[in-house]
Formats: sequence, structure tokens, C-alpha cells
Amino acid sequence: EIVLTQSPGTLSLSPGERATLSCRASQSLSSSYLAWYQQIPGQAPRLLIYGASSRATGIPDRFSGSGSGTDFTLTISRLEPEDFAVYYCQQYGSSPLFTFGPGTKVDIK
Amino acid sequence: EVQLVESGGGLVQPGGSLRLSCAASGFTFSSSDMHWVRQATGKGLEWVSGIGTDGDRYYSDSVKGRFTISREDAKNSLYLQMNSLRAGDTAVYYCARAHDYYCMDVWGKGTTVTVSS
Repeated sequence: EIVLTQSPGTLSLSPGERATLSCRASQSLSSSYLAWYQQIPGQAPRLLIYGASSRATGIPDRFSGSGSGTDFTLTISRLEPEDFAVYYCQQYGSSPLFTFGPGTKVDIK
Repeated sequence: EVQLVESGGGLVQPGGSLRLSCAASGFTFSSSDMHWVRQATGKGLEWVSGIGTDGDRYYSDSVKGRFTISREDAKNSLYLQMNSLRAGDTAVYYCARAHDYYCMDVWGKGTTVTVSS
């Protein structure tokens, strides 16, 4: 089973700043199998990025994903007030079918 | 509008059973793999179970043998039969549509399951 680790646990930034979130896999995985979600408290997760770097429908271009192998990054170029949330990476595997990282909380400094 | 609406959550005693439902609309349900994902209060996301368009079923180790996923394409509905419930199953349960690229692109708002005596 591939384990995902996210860092930092919490990122305290101001609106307008750049956010860089890391997701590390315990084994190399195909970029096709890595996705990112945003979850605002009290709401369901929202798909942001699939295939490590492709934005989902309707996702603003300030969100970008990159990486390969075991190291993946989600970047928010300029934080908007609505971007303060928890972000999860997710990988597709065999058993279990999907695993999620523990999440990175982006909060207002 | 593409939408998923879960129902069936509630309070149940340890060892009890519950059946969750998910009503889909706005897309071709029969052509979509579907999943259940849960989240305990204050915790992260945990994939629970999935079902393919061909009826193939998948489960996490934590629910295998206790939960059964099913679908009824004629009713655009997904189900999760949960038996032998434990306190550790307490969570919000989300229904989600599989995206072509190994993730989930549409999520319901969730239904809350509480297992407690």
C-alpha cells in the first residue's frame, strides 16, 4: 500500500501570497494517479487537479499541480479569501483503490 | 445540474445496520463508476468502497465483510449496506462519481452516521 505524506501540516499565509503544498508518496506512482482536492469546513471535497497537473473543470488558473515519481506539489499562485481551506492529495492504487494524504490546512496569517 | 444526494444516515447502536442511499442526477449514472468516501469529525478522508459500471465491487480492508455496495441504474441510485457497525464507523459518508483519471469529480454533501449506545 502506498502511503501519502503531506507537508506542512498547516500553512499560515496572507491573501495575495503564494502557497506551496507538498505531497510525498512512499513509492513511485504514475502521475496519472495523483489528484488534489480542496475542502472548506462543512463542505464536501472539491476536485482541483487530476493527473498531477491537469485542472478540473471550473478551477481557476491560480491553482497548478506538478511533480512526478514520489514528489508532487500543489501551488496556489495568489491566495484569494476563498482559498483558505484544507487540501488533500489522493492516489489511485490497487488495494485500497484510493488513499488520501492527511491534508494541509491553509489558514489566514 | 450534476448532483449527488445522500440519505439514510442516523444514529445506530454498535452491532446494528444501516443502509445509505445516493441519488444521482444530471449525468448518465449507468456509465459512471461510483464510490463511497467517509470522514470522521476532524479527521481526513477515507475511501470506503467503489463499484464499477460492470458491477465489480471494491472495499477497504476496514469494511470488507461488513459493508456491501450496490447500484440500481434504472433508479440512478447507489447504495451502501452497512452491517456490524462499530464506533469507528462514525463519520460523514460521501457519495462520489469517478472521474476518467483515477479520482472523484462530483461529490454529494454527505450523510452522517453515528454509531453509539
